[in-house]
Amino acid sequence: GAVVSQHPSRVICKSGTSVKIECRSLDFQATTMFWYRQFPKQSLMLMATSNEGSKATYEQGVEKDKFLINHASLTLSTLTVTSAHPEDSSFYICSARPPGQVRNTEAFFGQGTRLTVV
Amino acid sequence: EDQVTQSPEALRLQEGESSSLNCSYTVSGLRGLFWYRQDPGKGPEFLFTLYSAGEEKEKERLKATLTKKESFLHITAPKPEDSATYLCAVQANQAGTALIFGKGTTLSVSS
Repeated sequence: GAVVSQHPSRVICKSGTSVKIECRSLDFQATTMFWYRQFPKQSLMLMATSNEGSKATYEQGVEKDKFLINHASLTLSTLTVTSAHPEDSSFYICSARPPGQVRNTEAFFGQGTRLTVV
Repeated sequence: EDQVTQSPEALRLQEGESSSLNCSYTVSGLRGLFWYRQDPGKGPEFLFTLYSAGEEKEKERLKATLTKKESFLHITAPKPEDSATYLCAVQANQAGTALIFGKGTTLSVSS
């Protein structure tokens, strides 16, 4: 099956610094990727939809200037958490779906990135 | 508002003790209902997609069913390796292609 790779799997950073998370679709081109955030024992919450070659669409309440999304190619989307604070500590997961699907099929997820801001 | 509610929040079973997980949903036009398995510290692993009421899908000890208001994930004779969090998600017409997730059911199977 299709594979989505996310890197890094874990990162610890100091408060005030920025962290970049990469999401790659390894065997298909993804015009759209999704970024989710998951707090302990909570749902995956959609943060933004990343569109190749255009601006990302952010969900209500998600600061676009804090969570910068770049989808520069059909196989790579990046999420940069700028000026990170301890409350940004969470599990970030990306997702992508192979193109050309008429009916909705499974969205493939990355392995997730555990961000800890100290 | 589109919403997904899973129950129970946690479930403890003995090996071989069959049970069911519930996913209730409220959505404006269901395009698909998804079940995923998530292990600690990992991303969700796809299990099933159901598209219409009455549909059923099976994979090993798991069977997913769908009605107009809810879905069940039946686990037959579970094994300890089935221990994980099971997530239900829906895709609604108004939400585009993003999935709306429930909080999950954490299943623990002891031998």
